Amino acid sequence: EFVLTQSPGTLSLSPGERATLSCRASQSVTSNYLAWYQQKPGQAPRLLIYGASTRATGIPDRFSGSGSGTDFTLTISRLEPEDFAVYYCQQYSRPPVTFGGGTKVEIK
Amino acid sequence: QVQLVQSGAEGKKPGSSVKVSCKASGGTFSSYEVSWVRQAPGQGLEWMGGINPMFGTANYAQKFQDRLTITADASSNTVYMELSSLRSDDTAVFYCAREVLVHYPAFGIWGQGTMVTVSS
Repeated sequence: EFVLTQSPGTLSLSPGERATLSCRASQSVTSNYLAWYQQKPGQAPRLLIYGASTRATGIPDRFSGSGSGTDFTLTISRLEPEDFAVYYCQQYSRPPVTFGGGTKVEIK
Repeated sequence: QVQLVQSGAEGKKPGSSVKVSCKASGGTFSSYEVSWVRQAPGQGLEWMGGINPMFGTANYAQKFQDRLTITADASSNTVYMELSSLRSDDTAVFYCAREVLVHYPAFGIWGQGTMVTVSS
């Protein structure tokens, strides 16, 4: 099964800082079939990025995705107070769909 | 704008079954596949399986193959997830989620989640 490893587990930053989240796949993700989600406590996940770099509808441009093959990155250029949450990557290159373990972005 | 509305929280005994519904509000599922994703308390996301409501064809994660049934009623724009032989470690929030593009299983629309608690 496709394993996605996210790092770091927790990222402690201040508002206005840049956040860089990593997602590494156990196999190459074909066609860049990788997505990123944001989840806040008590809420459903929200799609941020799909196709490794395409922002979903309504997602601010401070969120960007990059990468290919086995290494992918989600960057938040300047953290806003509402961005502190847990972020998950997901691959849909090969069934079954799998998710990474998540990175928590917390206020420093 | 389509929204997914799920049925309410459930409390179940070990060994029993639970059936959760997911209704498309403000539109239809059309040709989009709908998946179910589980999240145990304090844990990550786990894909369980999905269905294309238009065709009724379901696919399952191997882990749930023996006790998961996903069905759809296209006439009422509703998808169902039934999990049997419940155990305490099935306690979780269950989400339905629709793919963002047809045949493209990144999940662009999510239901609000249904908490299922399994306890004796």
